[in-house]
Amino acid sequence: AQSVTQPDIHITVSEGASLELRCNYSYGATPYLFWYVQSPGQGLQLLLKYFSGDTLVQGIKGFEAEFKRSQSSFNLRKPSVHWSDAAEYFCAVGTPNSGYALNFGKGTSLLVTP
Amino acid sequence: ETGVTQSPTHLIKTRGQQVTLRCSSQSGHNTVSWYQQALGQGPQFIFQYYREEENGRGNFPPRFSGLQFPNYSSELNVNALELDDSALYLCASSGTGPAETQYFGPGTRLLVL
Repeated sequence: AQSVTQPDIHITVSEGASLELRCNYSYGATPYLFWYVQSPGQGLQLLLKYFSGDTLVQGIKGFEAEFKRSQSSFNLRKPSVHWSDAAEYFCAVGTPNSGYALNFGKGTSLLVTP
Repeated sequence: ETGVTQSPTHLIKTRGQQVTLRCSSQSGHNTVSWYQQALGQGPQFIFQYYREEENGRGNFPPRFSGLQFPNYSSELNVNALELDDSALYLCASSGTGPAETQYFGPGTRLLVL
């Protein structure tokens, strides 16, 4: 069965520290990969996406993610976290045969401390 | 370019009632997808509409139904509401093709009492 796993439910980092949020997927072929961010009471905003090509993807707000086929992972990174980055982060996967539906992980809640 | 809008923002219903949620897609987008996000969970795919036809459906019962109109706006209808239907309902619009990014609206928060 297709699945998306975000192993960390909560992560706390200090402002200015680096960040890595993990995402693993289980699919038969290379899927389309996305990271979305959700602030409290808000909808989802796309940070970045991977469809093909360069496995290191740059996104908005200084985020990047690296697709590693051998590890079935698509981890999100940021070199220096700002207090405004505190939010819920969702990894999502879409496959060509899924009717374009996105399969989301359960999310990682990021807390940024001063 | 206007983004995805949803109405209403909040809604309270009682068990057994019916509800209709509305979504206006982003300009130029012809595909609308609906997701249910329970508290503390990731969004779950309900169904998708493309050119007024249902184009895919998740694991939701038939009491969840939808419509898409010629202007590509959409409705989600839920009959016989249950307490577990309490959630944030998200609408996303996109262009044609599996590689198209889905752009989400702010959601409608439904509370079923």
